[in-house]
Amino acid sequence: ILNVEQSPQSLHVQEGDSTNFTCSFPSSNFYALHWYRWETAKSPEALFVMTLNGDEKKKGRISATLNTKEGYSYLYIKGSQPEDSATYLCAFSLRNQGGKLIFGQGTELSVKP
Amino acid sequence: DVKVTQSSRYLVKRTGEKVFLECVQDMDHENMFWYRQDPGLGLRLIYFSYDVKMKEKGDIPEGYSVSREKKERFSLILESASTNQTSMYLCASRRDRNTGELFFGEGSRLTVL
Repeated sequence: ILNVEQSPQSLHVQEGDSTNFTCSFPSSNFYALHWYRWETAKSPEALFVMTLNGDEKKKGRISATLNTKEGYSYLYIKGSQPEDSATYLCAFSLRNQGGKLIFGQGTELSVKP
Repeated sequence: DVKVTQSSRYLVKRTGEKVFLECVQDMDHENMFWYRQDPGLGLRLIYFSYDVKMKEKGDIPEGYSVSREKKERFSLILESASTNQTSMYLCASRRDRNTGELFFGEGSRLTVL
């Protein structure tokens, strides 16, 4: 059974703290890794789609890295703000699965002012 | 602004009722997906469609069917709702079959009594 593990399940930080989450996935037959942010009462929105080992992507205060050989990705948020409060989902796809995404259970981030 | 619109944000139905969840996208995407999200679990794929009148089972299709009569519309049907189908349902679309980010709707929270 293919599985994506995200840790921690939830995180409570103070405004200004920097934080990071982990996404672990099977490393064989890797195709792509996605990160989404899902704010309450809104649609999940894509943050990053990463395909290459060693890839690093950045969007504002948020960045992500990818290690396909060992099967993990990190998401970093620098100087967390209350508006960063959301559930962060990671998903991966395999080369022989037609791009079907397998999602982790998410990391719920709460940033207190 | 690109959009995936789900017809109902909240529904309450009784066991045995037939339920339709509608999803419309305005991005001319060929690929559309239905997921459900339950506490502690990742998004799970119910059905997907790569083209009009085409459908494929995802990981948990039992108790569901779908309809794709027009490119922009993908409907999820619960023929006879059961309490274990109480969940958050998310529709998504994507431009390419195997790559690229998903664009999600805001979700439909279904409660079956």
